[in-house]
Amino acid sequence: GQSLEQPSEVTAVEGAIVQINCTYQTSGFYGLSWYQQHDGGAPTFLSYNGLDGLEETGRFSSFLSRSDSYGYLLLQELQMKDSASYFCAVNTNAGKSTFGDGTTLTVKP
Amino acid sequence: DAMVIQNPRYQVTQFGKPVTLSCSQTLNHNVMYWYQQKSSQAPKLLFHYYDKDFNNEADTPDNFQSRRPNTSFCFLDIRSPGLGDAAMYLCATSRVKADPNQPQHFGDGTRLSIL
Repeated sequence: GQSLEQPSEVTAVEGAIVQINCTYQTSGFYGLSWYQQHDGGAPTFLSYNGLDGLEETGRFSSFLSRSDSYGYLLLQELQMKDSASYFCAVNTNAGKSTFGDGTTLTVKP
Repeated sequence: DAMVIQNPRYQVTQFGKPVTLSCSQTLNHNVMYWYQQKSSQAPKLLFHYYDKDFNNEADTPDNFQSRRPNTSFCFLDIRSPGLGDAAMYLCATSRVKADPNQPQHFGDGTRLSIL
């Protein structure tokens, strides 16, 4: 089976940088995805790592270390609208994703 | 815009009364997924279709069934809803199975309440 761990809550101020970590245990690991979900809304895809290293997409970056079964999402220049839940999800070679329990990010002025 | 559309956004049903949630997509994606998400929890995969090939998760209750009559539409049927089935139900699509470079595209969800 799959299991993922990520912090339940993170708080930061506008303009700051925050890192949300994700560790996982899985079989058939293919890659790690990150999704953002605002209250009452749908998850939206942010980033994907299939290989070790850093992927950058604007203010968001994601990192993967397959040997450590570890990844993180880095959010820079935080804005109030970034307050949301962030889910890491393990993609397996069975074509399915298993989601972590999510990290609630609160951005304060 | 190409989208994943779920109807209705809010559904109320009575304990034990069958209910059907619907999902349609204009992305022409091969794969459609149904997730259940309870408050402050992860989306939990119930089943998915790769084209017409149905894949049930081992721990999905028998009470939950799905139909995919064509590429564009997928339905979630809950035969006898219990109070524990109150949740947000999310439909998602992806272009190709087993290509994790393809992100999943989610609908806005249907929030199901049980009276």
